[in-house]
Amino acid sequence: DAKTTQPPSMDCAEGRAANLPCNHSTISGNEYVYWYRQIHSQGPQYIIHGLKNNETNEMASLIITEDRKSSTLILPHATLRDTAVYYCIVRATQGGSEKLVFGKGTKLTVNP
Amino acid sequence: DGGITQSPKYLFRKEGQNVTLSCEQNLNHDAMYWYRQDPGQGLRLIYYSQIVNDFQKGDIAEGYSVSREKKESFPLTVTSAQKNPTAFYLCASSIAKGYPYEQYFGPGTRLTVT
Repeated sequence: DAKTTQPPSMDCAEGRAANLPCNHSTISGNEYVYWYRQIHSQGPQYIIHGLKNNETNEMASLIITEDRKSSTLILPHATLRDTAVYYCIVRATQGGSEKLVFGKGTKLTVNP
Repeated sequence: DGGITQSPKYLFRKEGQNVTLSCEQNLNHDAMYWYRQDPGQGLRLIYYSQIVNDFQKGDIAEGYSVSREKKESFPLTVTSAQKNPTAFYLCASSIAKGYPYEQYFGPGTRLTVT
């Protein structure tokens, strides 16, 4: 599975959009981009995933660049409860590893 | 409510004792996973199982054992051979292998061995 690079920490004001970047320059054609988050001392929570196209769900939007070498997770109106560590993961489908390779992620702090 | 349960939330053991962590899911998922997390670190895969009565080692399987006798259950035993067992243990499940189904995680068990 390709490795990802994320900033170790970010801050965001409550009510503003939080844009979390992720670089995955060695991603291959069959690898999806996943985002999970982990609130302190809890299990990780799935947020969103995508392959090529931008994706949106009730939690967030995922923007993937055309060359697929980077992506951005967008929380449109961050709240204090969005304070967590956010993990960007790339993972293959059939034929690839089934494990999720979690790096250290980005610690997002939403400030009042 | 469907989900994954792990028990207990906190577990304390003396060095040299084996300990078994429970993981149960009622999501009808075929695949189940065990991860370990150390302070300030990401998750590392211990074991995973794609189907009943079958499981594979992950990246850090030494000192651990698992069984998968039922679809709903995937208990993890931390043996006395595990050099640094104190950690946060997370169980996860997903629908199946292949298509990139997301993994759902339990609340975790924090194991402290002294």
